[in-house]
Amino acid sequence: AQKVTQAQTEISVVEKEDVTLDCVYETRDTTYYLFWYKQPPSGELVFLIRRNSFDEQNEISGRYSWNFQKSTSSFNFTITASQVVDSAVYFCALSTDYGGSQGNLIFGKGTKLSVKP
Amino acid sequence: NAGVTQTPKFQVLKTGQSMTLQCAQDMNHNSMYWYRQDPGMGLRLIYYSASEGTTDKGEVPNGYNVSRLNKREFSLRLESAAPSQTSVYFCASSKTGSGWELFFGSGTQLSVL
Repeated sequence: AQKVTQAQTEISVVEKEDVTLDCVYETRDTTYYLFWYKQPPSGELVFLIRRNSFDEQNEISGRYSWNFQKSTSSFNFTITASQVVDSAVYFCALSTDYGGSQGNLIFGKGTKLSVKP
Repeated sequence: NAGVTQTPKFQVLKTGQSMTLQCAQDMNHNSMYWYRQDPGMGLRLIYYSASEGTTDKGEVPNGYNVSRLNKREFSLRLESAAPSQTSVYFCASSKTGSGWELFFGSGTQLSVL
């Protein structure tokens, strides 16, 4: 079965703190893709990153970084020096071709991050 | 570029009424999707269309129908709305195949009374 688990329902931090959002996935496919999306209070869904199963290199983009570990089936997202504008719901998602699903994204339930000034 | 456009943005229905949510994309994508978002549930796939002329059920298809009108447009129809269909609906599109990010519309807030 394909599954994405985001165990942290809500996280609250004070501005400038570092915060890590956890994502654990399940799949039997050897080829798969992992994504992170951001949903700010305005409601739109913003794509942040895509990672394929053959690339375990960590990624850094400004204050954002992602740690992909196949050994633990995890794809965690860290925000360094958090800001109020980072307040949002963050979704982790998985895509495989299992059962001919052709790229459908399976989403976790999301983690709501609140950054207080 | 507009990207993915959904209409309407808000809708209130009475139980048993029908309506169609419209979605259009201008990115020349082959694949289109309808998701619903409920509190604490994440996004769940209702239907998808891998290419023009094909549609397939997702995780939660009951109570819905879809039409892939052409490459650009993918509509979602509620034939007899129920309170359990109160949700935020998102249309999305992507290139064909796995591994491509989905581009989402701005969502439709639907309330069924």
